[in-house]
Amino acid sequence: DAGVTQSPTHLIKTRGQQVTLRCSPKSGHDTVSWYQQALGQGPQFIFQYYEEEERQRGNFPDRFSGHQFPNYSSELNVNALLLGDSALYLCASSLGHFNQPQHFGDGTRLSIL
Amino acid sequence: GIQVEQSPPDLILQEGANSTLRCNFSDSVNNLQWFHQNPWGQLINLFYIPSGTKQNGRLSATTVATERYSLLYISSSQTTDSGVYFCAVGSRGNTPLVFGKGTRLSVIA
Repeated sequence: DAGVTQSPTHLIKTRGQQVTLRCSPKSGHDTVSWYQQALGQGPQFIFQYYEEEERQRGNFPDRFSGHQFPNYSSELNVNALLLGDSALYLCASSLGHFNQPQHFGDGTRLSIL
Repeated sequence: GIQVEQSPPDLILQEGANSTLRCNFSDSVNNLQWFHQNPWGQLINLFYIPSGTKQNGRLSATTVATERYSLLYISSSQTTDSGVYFCAVGSRGNTPLVFGKGTRLSVIA
């Protein structure tokens, strides 16, 4: 039973570039949530996708966008990268909504130079 | 929004010792989860426990929703227990998890 998988594991970009991160949910899960974790902090909610639509969004600018595909996998896109976007990006999957156990992937560590 | 406070922020234990981690939250919740983030950054779900008590091996957790706190107990700690423990809560309805700042645990052999 495959867990949540994320790719790539590490990524280095420069300011102003664009990046796409990918997530495949745990088998049987239909909901994907994305989080940003800065060094020394807890994860912060970016947005959640369900039935290929953004269902909820946290306090992040429009530079952060996403997509969910019919197979429930998801992408996180960040445009016009800033130094402050350097963080660990975590994907979590669940069945239905937040009030279910959230299962996290290993994350993508994004460094902006 | 809901506030989550975890204590202590840091904890150093000798291998074999027991510990209690606390999570206080500022509003009613219908979702509370404990996570362990290992030194490699992997975030593992330990408990989904909006109320009551659960046990899984050396770990157990209790949430007293009416008093707005949850406790995570670690018994006979091992070096592999090291890492950061996060409490995350969701308030009434289907709301995103709000994480505390975590408790950093170091278990020394």
